[in-house]
Parts: sequence; C-alpha cells; structure tokens
Amino acid sequence: EAQVTQNPRYLITVTGKKLTVTCSQNMNHEYMSWYRQDPGLGLRQIYYSMNVEVTDKGDVPEGYKVSRKEKRNFPLILESPSPNQTSLYFCASSLQGLVPQYFGPGTRLLVL
Amino acid sequence: SQELEQSPQSLIVQEGKNLTINCTSSKTLYGLYWYKQKYGEGLIFLMMLQKGGEEKSHEKITAKLDEKKQQSSLHITASQPSHAGIYLCGAGNQGAQKLVFGQGTRLTINP
Repeated sequence: EAQVTQNPRYLITVTGKKLTVTCSQNMNHEYMSWYRQDPGLGLRQIYYSMNVEVTDKGDVPEGYKVSRKEKRNFPLILESPSPNQTSLYFCASSLQGLVPQYFGPGTRLLVL
Repeated sequence: SQELEQSPQSLIVQEGKNLTINCTSSKTLYGLYWYKQKYGEGLIFLMMLQKGGEEKSHEKITAKLDEKKQQSSLHITASQPSHAGIYLCGAGNQGAQKLVFGQGTRLTINP
C-alpha cells in the first residue's frame, strides 16, 4: 500500500531534549516536505526537499533541522525543543513538485 | 509573501444543501490546490487548478479559478455527511517548490 508513515504519532517531551520525528514514503517520490499545523495559524511549511541531498527552508524553519540522505526518508529534528514547537506535524511527499502530495497521518508533539 | 484568505472560516449546512467556499490570494496564483482534512488527520488532495477560468469536478465537488487567477471557489452540491471536514486551499510558488495554505474552512453537515 502506497503511504507516508510518521513516527511517533504522539510525543510528550520536555524543553531542550533533542528529538527526531521520522517520515518515510514507499512511492519513490522525489519531493518531501514537513508542515506544522496550529489553531488560528493554519498549516505552514517548515522544510522541503526536492530530492536526495537537496533541502530548503519553508516559511517557518527556525528551531528545526532536516536531512535527506535517502530518497524514502525525511526526518525532522528538533535539537532543543521549546514549548512554542508544540504542534501537529505533517510529512508529505509527491512524485515531483507540489501535487499531488500524499500526507502522513500526523505527529502530535507536546513540549513541556 | 503570498497570503491566502478563506471564507467562511466555518460553515454549518443541512444535509442536501449546496455550499461554496472561497479562497482569495494576495498575489497571482501559479497553482491553486484544494485539500480536505478530517479532524486531526492528514490531508487528502482534491483538485489542482492552474489556468485562468479553469473548472474541475470530482463527484459532487466543483472547483473554479477565476480569470485573473487570484480567487478560487469550491462548490459542493447536495452535501452529505461524508463531506464534513476542513477544506484548505493551497498556493504554490512559481517554481512549484513551496506551498502556502489558507487557514481552512470547517464544514459541518447536519442531518
């Protein structure tokens, strides 16, 4: 089954404790992206990757890192999480460009 | 930077009624995308519009892009409970690399 998987689905952590949210797709897609969704602010793009070893900033990259060492994986790294990074995070992928993007199920992160 | 404004922010309609959601851009749209999200879940791609005046339909959902490519509408005919959710419009930049979303329209269908 073609899908985008994210792990973990739910995470509670404390300020400053490094964490990684994994994202994997099995569709051989070139494009992958991370978004965060917050009430009142909508869905905002954090980082995107056009292909392996090619990543670039979205609209809200501060406090996040990504890497694209393999085509199928695009982890999101929070080196020192802060409470303002509490959010619902989505990973997405597409064959090329922006559509159609397949979204993962989301990761709910709470930073205390 | 490009901004998308959706209206209304929330909508409650009786099952069987028609409804329209609007998406207005602060800049010319290179590509306009409609997604649906069930509460707390991932987004599902509905349609993409690129040309001025373009119109696409899928089942009972029709999306249009105006001639000036700054406004899009999503129309649902004879709404059903399965149409409930959050509808988001998204706009791509010229290089089709970055995506900006509107704040979403929360649709509730009352039986």
